[in-house]
Amino acid sequence: DAGITQSPRYKITETGRQVTLMCHQTWSHSYMFWYRQDLGHGLRLIYYSAAADITDKGEVPDGYVVSRSKTENFPLTLESATRSQTSVYFCASSDQGWHQPQHFGDGTRLSIL
Amino acid sequence: SQQGEEDPQALSIQEGENATMNCSYKTSINNLQWYRQNSGRGLVHLILIRSNEREKHSGRLRVTLDTSKKSSSLLITASRAADTASYFCATWGNTGNQFYFGTGTSLTVIP
Repeated sequence: DAGITQSPRYKITETGRQVTLMCHQTWSHSYMFWYRQDLGHGLRLIYYSAAADITDKGEVPDGYVVSRSKTENFPLTLESATRSQTSVYFCASSDQGWHQPQHFGDGTRLSIL
Repeated sequence: SQQGEEDPQALSIQEGENATMNCSYKTSINNLQWYRQNSGRGLVHLILIRSNEREKHSGRLRVTLDTSKKSSSLLITASRAADTASYFCATWGNTGNQFYFGTGTSLTVIP
């Protein structure tokens, strides 16, 4: 089925560990985005990508790394997880970036102990 | 912060009533979008209104935009229990990474 899928759906890890959240879309959309959702803050943009091998920072990029070697994949890595990174993470894609609607995955709920 | 603010934070209505939620933002925008989020799911796009538009309709949804007041409203007419969700506005500013979501309105429609 066409769409955007995130994995894992749930993840528990410890502070200091590296963790990678996966995002895969089947539409061949140019743009992909990573957000985190926290109570009281709504969704905040972490990183985005306008095309393969092109990435840029959003509002809250510190502590995160992204890559985009293929159009359909946009993994997000926490190199050394901290408790403040406990959140729900959403990946999204869009055909024409900010001009068009974004299509969201169902999120990854990440807990860092 | 450029983050939009929705008002009210929570709204509870009876099925069949209209629901109105508001969004205010801080700086100039290119467009404003409304999204819905059901519990435990990702966001679903509802409607996009450009800065040169004042009103837009989609089915039971009506969105207005007042750029002079930096505000937008989302009206859901004849609400249904299935409309129970959180609703977020999102604004796109002048550059690529100036894309901000508001904190959302939680709507409960009582059957």
